[in-house]
Amino acid sequence: GQQLNQSPQSMFIQEGEDVSMNCTSSSIFNTWLWYKQDPGEGPVLLIALYKAGELTSNGRLTAQFGITRKDSFLNISASIPSDVGIYFCAGQLADGGSQGNLIFGKGTKLSVKP
Amino acid sequence: NAGVMQNPRHLVRRRGQEARLRCSPMKGHSHVYWYRQLPEEGLKFMVYLQKENIIDESGMPKERFSAEFPKEGPSILRIQQVVRGDSAAYFCASSAGLSLYGYTFGSGTRLTVV
Repeated sequence: GQQLNQSPQSMFIQEGEDVSMNCTSSSIFNTWLWYKQDPGEGPVLLIALYKAGELTSNGRLTAQFGITRKDSFLNISASIPSDVGIYFCAGQLADGGSQGNLIFGKGTKLSVKP
Repeated sequence: NAGVMQNPRHLVRRRGQEARLRCSPMKGHSHVYWYRQLPEEGLKFMVYLQKENIIDESGMPKERFSAEFPKEGPSILRIQQVVRGDSAAYFCASSAGLSLYGYTFGSGTRLTVV
């Protein structure tokens, strides 16, 4: 099946640090979405990207839709403790699949440095 | 306006029993999507329904799994003769139309097969 390679798998943050994660694929996507999932909850949409090259911010979060349409990144600036959780990228393939068929990455787990 | 409501939140079934998972979409949403999430994994698309119609079931196992979204009432994901490998979190999402805007997930049903 189609895959999204999300990295890093996990990372530790200290309050105030900037965080960066990305997703890549060999396939072309029409849409990229970034979600955050807290334990025991469903994913919550953070940012949606609909056009190649698009750069969108939501507060301290910034995401970009890669110009090749095969990748996307998410940056979190000045991290705070409540940023911990699992971040997922998801995309809608340009070729194949219905509009609701999102492909998810395996997630990036953000934890606080001890 | 309540979000996407899923129940039960937790469901325990013995091998061979049937599991029924319910999803009530957000008010005004007529498109429903079901996903499965295994531990430490991203979400995997199963099926997309629009009132009374299955639009895309490409991610649904061919046997034992079925989904419906009747004219009245919630969407139901039904798993017959459950096996241990069916243990997972099952998430439902809904949207208003042919756009991923407003694509909102519920809190999920955690199925444990013993």
